[in-house]
Amino acid sequence: ETGVTQTPRHLVMGMTNKKSLKCEQHLGHNAMYWYKQSAKKPLELMFVYNFKEQTENNSVPSRFSPECPNSSHLFLHLHTLQPEDSALYLCASSPTGGSDYGYTFGSGTRLTVV
Amino acid sequence: AQKITQTQPGMFVQEKEAVTLDCTYDTSDQSYGLFWYKQPSSGEMIFLIYQGSYDEQNATEGRYSLNFQKARKSANLVISASQLGDSAMYFCAFHLSGAGSYQLTFGKGTKLSVIP
Repeated sequence: ETGVTQTPRHLVMGMTNKKSLKCEQHLGHNAMYWYKQSAKKPLELMFVYNFKEQTENNSVPSRFSPECPNSSHLFLHLHTLQPEDSALYLCASSPTGGSDYGYTFGSGTRLTVV
Repeated sequence: AQKITQTQPGMFVQEKEAVTLDCTYDTSDQSYGLFWYKQPSSGEMIFLIYQGSYDEQNATEGRYSLNFQKARKSANLVISASQLGDSAMYFCAFHLSGAGSYQLTFGKGTKLSVIP
């Protein structure tokens, strides 16, 4: 148990589907992150939320829509995705936005778009 | 923008031997942190070790140590007494210190295989 829980672990969806990824942490952290890990590419930061407010959006296409209802939960809503969006999506949290004291990652959701 | 380079796509090491995984970074900033993460096939990113740019001593955590050479901008991970369970992807990551700085910049990773 990493302290950051992501569900589902695996997801296969069609290009016309709508689905959501969920991330939950009970570490008392105030910042939460979505990262995308594609094959043979470095992890890419997608979104940052600090105290429930979005502080960073790294030019992510609008077919990815994040939601942070509170400091413990983070969602990534997906719609009309493309096959190139297939990747491992990792959620992370940290004590404060931009912490030097460590980010805790979840196990990820492996997404396949067909 | 910061850049992290891991030049070894794959490494092999004999069980019980030590191995060094390379990481270099490029930054003009003075205050930053360097992380190493392990990612087994299950996908989870496991924090291993952290080095702050102003830390005078190299960081150590159990069998992991970080060989930090600031002038060379390198932060190599040394794993001593390798175990079969060490087989995984290893990522070096850079974080710029200070308020408003959120991003961890990752290298492409090194796949370590421990041979029995």
